[in-house]
Amino acid sequence: ETGVTQSPTHLIKTRGQQVTLRCSSQSGHNTVSWYQQALGQGPQFIFQYYREEENGRGNFPPRFSGLQFPNYSSELNVNALELDDSALYLCASSLGPDRRGGETQYFGPGTRLLVL
Amino acid sequence: QQQVKQSPQSLIVQKGGISIINCAYENTAFDYFPWYQQFPGKGPALLIAIRPDVSEKKEGRFTISFNKSAKQFSLHIMDSQPGDSATYFCAAYTNAGKSTFGDGTTLTVKP
Repeated sequence: ETGVTQSPTHLIKTRGQQVTLRCSSQSGHNTVSWYQQALGQGPQFIFQYYREEENGRGNFPPRFSGLQFPNYSSELNVNALELDDSALYLCASSLGPDRRGGETQYFGPGTRLLVL
Repeated sequence: QQQVKQSPQSLIVQKGGISIINCAYENTAFDYFPWYQQFPGKGPALLIAIRPDVSEKKEGRFTISFNKSAKQFSLHIMDSQPGDSATYFCAAYTNAGKSTFGDGTTLTVKP
């Protein structure tokens, strides 16, 4: 088990609503990345936060936004929910942002979001 | 645009056999290639990773083979065990902070 926790575990929302997902990183980790994993697909990179600043973003619209707090925990906010936003949302923490250096990402168990 | 193509989608192997999963990528900016293992209800866990200056890396029963000119890499699981039954993802990372994952391979190891 990694030390990365996510809440809630499951969530049901309706189209047009807003949602906030939370992630607590592993102790000592200052970098958090968020991913969307649709059913039957691999995780898709949403964005990464390093020391409270966004440090890289994938191909997701601005209605996907995030925050990182001084204790390095993080939130993912999604506005104006669409049916296609239904997915497992994963966060991963690491010691640093430099994956080229081989910084291992530790994934949480995810939050399963269903948009009706 | 699918930048990392993974195959096969599913794989059934007898206990003790060799499991082989392949990935191909397009973006030459990728420079870090990990494989993840995911069990139901869990997040992906790093299994083994390689960088393009190395053609092969072995850790226990798991080996990555990397072919830079062909832009392909593969995961070999030797002496496959029922406990290896899981979904496996290859991924490719750039040093600009972006990652791309394959669509996964569901491995079933029969006793």
